[in-house]
This record gives sequence, structure tokens and C-alpha cells, in this order.
Amino acid sequence: QQQVKQSPQSLIVQKGGISIINCAYENTAFDYFPWYQQFPGKGPALLIAIRPDVSEKKEGRFTISFNKSAKQFSLHIMDSQPGDSATYFCAASIPRGAAGNKLTFGGGTRVLVKP
Amino acid sequence: DAGITQSPRHKVTETGTPVTLRCHQTENHRYMYWYRQDPGHGLRLIHYSYGVKDTDKGEVSDGYSVSRSKTEDFLLTLESATSSQTSVYFCAIRMNTEAFFGQGTRLTVV
Repeated sequence: QQQVKQSPQSLIVQKGGISIINCAYENTAFDYFPWYQQFPGKGPALLIAIRPDVSEKKEGRFTISFNKSAKQFSLHIMDSQPGDSATYFCAASIPRGAAGNKLTFGGGTRVLVKP
Repeated sequence: DAGITQSPRHKVTETGTPVTLRCHQTENHRYMYWYRQDPGHGLRLIHYSYGVKDTDKGEVSDGYSVSRSKTEDFLLTLESATSSQTSVYFCAIRMNTEAFFGQGTRLTVV
């Protein structure tokens, strides 16, 4: 049973457009929601993260929107650039120190930004 | 890269043989993790460790074992490799809330 569901699996966007990736979770104990970016041949790297006490967090062109009641969160990439072409993973974890401090990942979205 | 080194980076092995992957960290982090990455499945947790000799299973632990005899090393063993274990394996450490990943090991079981 996948606890974090991510969509779409792939996304093609024109340069300058907006990329939107959605995630839904089931476990209401999750209290930390990061997004990871992965380039081919590399390990995932933290992009931006949010906690459920805020509804939105913005860092540069990247914004997380969080809807606690719907148990959903999304990543928006504004003014998408070819260098943003990568695979993006949403994730969630339960409070630090509990059950191994584990991250549960979504299935990933491959984003291609066309010039 | 948070001082994480995975070895080997690539390996081809035959079905039924044991395989050990190594994760080495240089910064004495308590939590270490092994994930596998497969298309459409994201990263799935195999095993994790919360200290020397302290390990526990993740969601896809069948066919895998781990050992952590030193803080800096976390070993993943495929006891008898099968084709379904062909994957990219990532080691990670957890520092506060953030996870840092190694470069990955691409394992092919033929």
C-alpha cells in the first residue's frame, strides 16, 4: 500500500511555463513534507519542504502548496527552465525520533522542460 | 554530498549469488537508510539503522539483510540475488529533518 501517491508520472512543459506536481497522503501522523529533485545518475537532493502548520512555502521559483484537510500537497515550478528537467519526488515523514525517522516517497514525476 | 560514499557504483551479478553493497559516511550520523529505486515506485525503504547494531526492516526487506558494526558503515546484503532485485540502490543519512543520499549503486542481476 503506497502511503504517498504522486501524479502525474511524467510532465512536458514549455520553457517559461508552470509545472505542477501533486501528492496525496494517507497517514495523518505525517508532519514533514519535503520535495526532492533528482538528475540522471545522481542521488535525490532536497529542493524544498513544508510542515502542516503553513499552507504555502515559496523558495525562488519553487512553491509548495499544502492542504491539510484534503491530505494533499503540490509543487509548483514557475517560469520553468530547461535546467529544471529532472525527476521530482514528494515525500513525507512522521515526527523526528519516532519509528526510525523514515521518509516515505511518492512514485516520482519526470519533468521535461522544452526550450 | 554529506560525506556519503557507495560502493560499488555498478555491479552485474548472476542469479543466486550473494551480493554486498557498502555505504560509508564520514560524519557520524546516527540514522542510515537503504532504498531501492524502480520506475513508477519512487524510492522504497529496504532497511534502516538507528545506531551501531541497531537495524530494522523497511517496506521491501524480503531477500535483504543489513549490518552496521561501525557508525560509518552500513552494509546491504542480497542473500541470493534474483532478477527482481535488479535496481538502483541508494544509501541515505538523516541529519535533522533532511535526508542526504549517496550517488547510488546500479545492480543488474542476470
